[in-house]
Amino acid sequence: QKEVEQDPGPLSVPEGAIVSLNCTYSNSAFQYFMWYRQYSRKGPELLMYTYSSGNKEDGRFTAQVDKSSKYISLFIRDSQPSDSATYLCAMRGYSGAGSYQLTFGKGTKLSVIP
Amino acid sequence: ETGVTQSPTHLIKTRGQQVTLRCSSQSGHNTVSWYQQALGQGPQFIFQYYREEENGRGNFPPRFSGLQFPNYSSELNVNALELDDSALYLCASSPGSFLSPYEQYFGPGTRLTVT
Repeated sequence: QKEVEQDPGPLSVPEGAIVSLNCTYSNSAFQYFMWYRQYSRKGPELLMYTYSSGNKEDGRFTAQVDKSSKYISLFIRDSQPSDSATYLCAMRGYSGAGSYQLTFGKGTKLSVIP
Repeated sequence: ETGVTQSPTHLIKTRGQQVTLRCSSQSGHNTVSWYQQALGQGPQFIFQYYREEENGRGNFPPRFSGLQFPNYSSELNVNALELDDSALYLCASSPGSFLSPYEQYFGPGTRLTVT
């Protein structure tokens, strides 16, 4: 079983739709939970992060973490064609000697159709 | 603008060759991490350097090695290239080893193709 599972999609939605992206994880030691957006041929950029269970909202984006179920979600409201990208969930874990590493999901490719 | 740059943008190598990829960290950042992202996969952690010392490593063989210089720029070296090494190689810099998520920035990556 992989430490982080994410449905790779692809996911195609009409403009204005609500998008739901999800990840599950198995390592209870994970701390920060993050969502990155990656456009084609670019590096990932951090969208949102959260430390504790619950919801965190930023504009059209809401990140949700349920540590008891080891499940995280990202919701995008009023989706726009510019939201078309690959969305990666990531979790921070300790890799020893005072360093931390990110463990990523596979990424979900999202297309928002005008 | 993140300020993390990588070179080259892409390159093609032959199986068995050696390659060096370069990363210039954002100003003031003393920690760099390298990731490998195969096509259709998420990035996988290779290793991290903090103040010129490797202080964390993922599940990659010793033929993946690195260096961090006093100006905090960094290199990733891969020896004896294999076809499976074909991937996008990402570096990410941050101002400290404890990796606050909002402080780590990724570069655009180097796309390596091994034939």
